[in-house]
Amino acid sequence: ETVMTQSPATLSVSPGERATLSCRASQSVNDKLAWYQQKPGQAPRLLIYGASTRATGIPARFRGSGSGTEFTLTISSLQSEDFAVYYCQQYNDWPFFGGGTKVEI
Amino acid sequence: QVQLVQSGAEVKKAGSSVKVSCKTSEDIFSTSTISWVRQAPGQGLEWMGVIIPAVGAATHAPKFDGRVTMTTDESSFTIYMELSYLRSEDTAVYFCARADTSMAVPYYFDYWGQGTLVTVSS
Repeated sequence: ETVMTQSPATLSVSPGERATLSCRASQSVNDKLAWYQQKPGQAPRLLIYGASTRATGIPARFRGSGSGTEFTLTISSLQSEDFAVYYCQQYNDWPFFGGGTKVEI
Repeated sequence: QVQLVQSGAEVKKAGSSVKVSCKTSEDIFSTSTISWVRQAPGQGLEWMGVIIPAVGAATHAPKFDGRVTMTTDESSFTIYMELSYLRSEDTAVYFCARADTSMAVPYYFDYWGQGTLVTVSS
């Protein structure tokens, strides 16, 4: 089982600032890494797959990078609608999610 | 547009079973896999298992051995997840989620149902 660890647990930022979220795998997952955004009371929304490919309709301010065991989601200029919880998920073996990073004002 | 529409909230007694449904379209039913992911209150996401609706083949996380059953109804393009021997820690929102693959392989999820809250009381 590949365990995913996200940091920080909470990230406090201001609108317009850059946010950098980290995700670490307990063993290599190659580039089989996805990122999701979840707002309260909603289902997760796919942002990034293949570590760096934006899903359909996702703004360019969301950028995924990394490979192997270290991954990063960067939101270049936070908009008000970006305040949410973000999860990483590896799919190199049976899906396992990280614990999430809450991005708050 | 891809839509996954789930059944409504449930309240169950510990020790009983719950069956949650996820209605899709013919296209999704025939060409995708559907996973079940749950989220306990204030917690993260936990993958439970996956089914290939077109053939009915399923696999699940070892944690749910003997408790989870995934089935389909081809006539209505609906997928079901039944969880038995419920305990309080099964209280969660249960999501169905689509992967754009026809094989039961690890994948990411591009569309999700709206979620079904299952509350287990003792």
